Amino acid sequence: AAGVIQSPRHLIKEKRETATLKCYPIPRHDTVYWYQQGPGQDPQFLISFYEKMQSDKGSIPDRFSAQQFSDYHSELNMSSLELGDSALYFCASSDRTSTDTQYFGPGTRLTVL
Amino acid sequence: EDQVTQSPEALRLQEGESSSLNCSYTVSGLRGLFWYRQDPGKGPEFLFTLYSAGEEKEKERLKATLTKKESFLHITAPKPEDSATYLCAVQPSNTGTASKLTFGTGTRLQVTL
Repeated sequence: AAGVIQSPRHLIKEKRETATLKCYPIPRHDTVYWYQQGPGQDPQFLISFYEKMQSDKGSIPDRFSAQQFSDYHSELNMSSLELGDSALYFCASSDRTSTDTQYFGPGTRLTVL
Repeated sequence: EDQVTQSPEALRLQEGESSSLNCSYTVSGLRGLFWYRQDPGKGPEFLFTLYSAGEEKEKERLKATLTKKESFLHITAPKPEDSATYLCAVQPSNTGTASKLTFGTGTRLQVTL
């Protein structure tokens, strides 16, 4: 079965640089979520989109923005990167009309030097 | 604010030694309680969703149960390949679409021969 696809899988950036993370949801899933997981921590919710509209917002810094496109893929844009942004970033998708279970992608490991 | 507490933080079992993981939660209306398995550096893998007190679900050596205040993940006769971090998460019912998950910090399970 198709799964959530995230790219890139690994990303190394310098402080104050920008990064763009991409997420391709499971086909026919209409909802996308972004989570951040620091070392040894649980995933923390950042933001979600339903049918291309922002739906819920968590502890997402103002330096970050995200959107969902017409083909349902989503991008997380991160600017003025800080050392503390180093983490695993997961995208999850769900079918709002079905079980609404969130299925997670493999993640993007962001390292800020 | 939604809260999820998992215990124990870490658990070491011998192969075949059954045990239970606990997830206590407080949420203003439960839409669903989710169990995920996470291997190091990988995305959470969906295991179960429980919606109401008294519900039980099984998959191979795993069985999840739910009460009004907590959930248990019972592991029967575990094998070394069951070694992973098990995450519990709650989704509240008092929000609209694309509701976030609030995770516990997980139980790190190690199963030895």
